[in-house]
Amino acid sequence: AQTVTQSQPEMSVQEAETVTLSCTYDTSESDYYLFWYKQPPSRQMILVIRQEAYKQQNATENRFSVNFQKAAKSFSLKISDSQLGDAAMYFCAYRSALQGGKLIFGQGTELSVKP
Amino acid sequence: DTGVSQDPRHKITKRGQNVTFRCDPISEHNRLYWYRQTLGQGPEFLTYFQNEAQLEKSRLLSDRFSAERPKGSFSTLEIQRTEQGDSAMYLCASSGKRFQETQYFGPGTRLLVL
Repeated sequence: AQTVTQSQPEMSVQEAETVTLSCTYDTSESDYYLFWYKQPPSRQMILVIRQEAYKQQNATENRFSVNFQKAAKSFSLKISDSQLGDAAMYFCAYRSALQGGKLIFGQGTELSVKP
Repeated sequence: DTGVSQDPRHKITKRGQNVTFRCDPISEHNRLYWYRQTLGQGPEFLTYFQNEAQLEKSRLLSDRFSAERPKGSFSTLEIQRTEQGDSAMYLCASSGKRFQETQYFGPGTRLLVL
């Protein structure tokens, strides 16, 4: 069974600085997708960024980028020029390319942004 | 394009009562997922529909839980004989016809069982 681990329950960053959130996963599959979702307090979960495992190039979306290390089964999220609106719970998620489509989530990292 | 909607947003019930939640996916999304999220944890998969067919159920989905998606549109999740351990946020997500498409989440239904 696949598992996703986020080892940082809480992180803090100064506004305008850069922060990296860690995620590791375990799978025996070679084809899969990885996601970072953001869940602001009392608001719904939204997709931040996604990565296809077959792509070697790291995904980038504006201030958000990932460092995908397939051999190490690591998928970290870098947020550049942090803004107050980035404060939220961040979840790393895995989805098999073969079965179903369900997402397997990590435990989450709560990010706070200091002005 | 309206997003995924869920109703009700909050539900308080007494132990032993039955509750039903509704999810309306993004129009034309044929895949619909239910997840449960307890405080401080990541969401856990419950069940998945492709059109009206329920294709996968988690072991978390005990006999007291049932989900339907008649006509492949909205979905309902019913919990019978609620227990205090059922207290959680119930999230619905939908995605389009292409398998690799992103799942879009609704705001969730927060259930409190007293």
